[in-house]
Amino acid sequence: QSALAQPASVSGSPGQSITISCTGTSSDVGRYYLVSWYQQHPGKAPKLIIYEGSERPSGVTNRFSGSKSGNTASLTISGLQAEDEADYYCCSYAGISTVYIFGTGTKVTVL
Amino acid sequence: EVQLVESGGELVQPGGSLRLSCAASGFTFSTYAMNWVRQAPGKGLEWVSTMSNTGGSTYYADSVKGRFTISRDISKNTLYLQMNSLRAEDTAVYYCTKDLWYTGSYSAADHWGQGTLVTVSS
Repeated sequence: QSALAQPASVSGSPGQSITISCTGTSSDVGRYYLVSWYQQHPGKAPKLIIYEGSERPSGVTNRFSGSKSGNTASLTISGLQAEDEADYYCCSYAGISTVYIFGTGTKVTVL
Repeated sequence: EVQLVESGGELVQPGGSLRLSCAASGFTFSTYAMNWVRQAPGKGLEWVSTMSNTGGSTYYADSVKGRFTISRDISKNTLYLQMNSLRAEDTAVYYCTKDLWYTGSYSAADHWGQGTLVTVSS
């Protein structure tokens, strides 16, 4: 299976909202509500920020929100802050043989 | 506090073998699915392998199937990845991750180790 498609980069000014898309197929994103999102700062391990499409783990700011429509999931960051500058990856459960499939990753730049 | 600590990464020649370890603590290791995820230098994340919460099932990405083996030792709270017939394209940081739920369903990786670097080169 191919990686889920994400835009290579998204940018915004402090305080603005941005949305990152994650496009899969009817075999992964479209079939299961099991999309997760990860934030990765340079040189650090990824951190879970959204699971099961729209749920936030304890301690994650509510400025992050997730949604899904058809084969496309989305991550919205509202009230953009300098600390949000990082790489973001989506991931979907893809069935019992290929358990997880990641997105291509999106670099978020705060202008 | 959940902790995952990987070790075993090093420089290895093409065709060689390596075993990665992931020492887990802070949770009941025997009841959660565990995964290996890798990231080649400057590239994105790639799922490598999963062991089910019972330990009875294992799954592999096509890129490593037949060459890599995931296993665990419950008595040592340790997850392993045996890597054989290594190729240059296996060069990456390898992360050990814990699945979110203990129920046996696969959802997300809620904890990650710091990663261990494997370099395959002559």
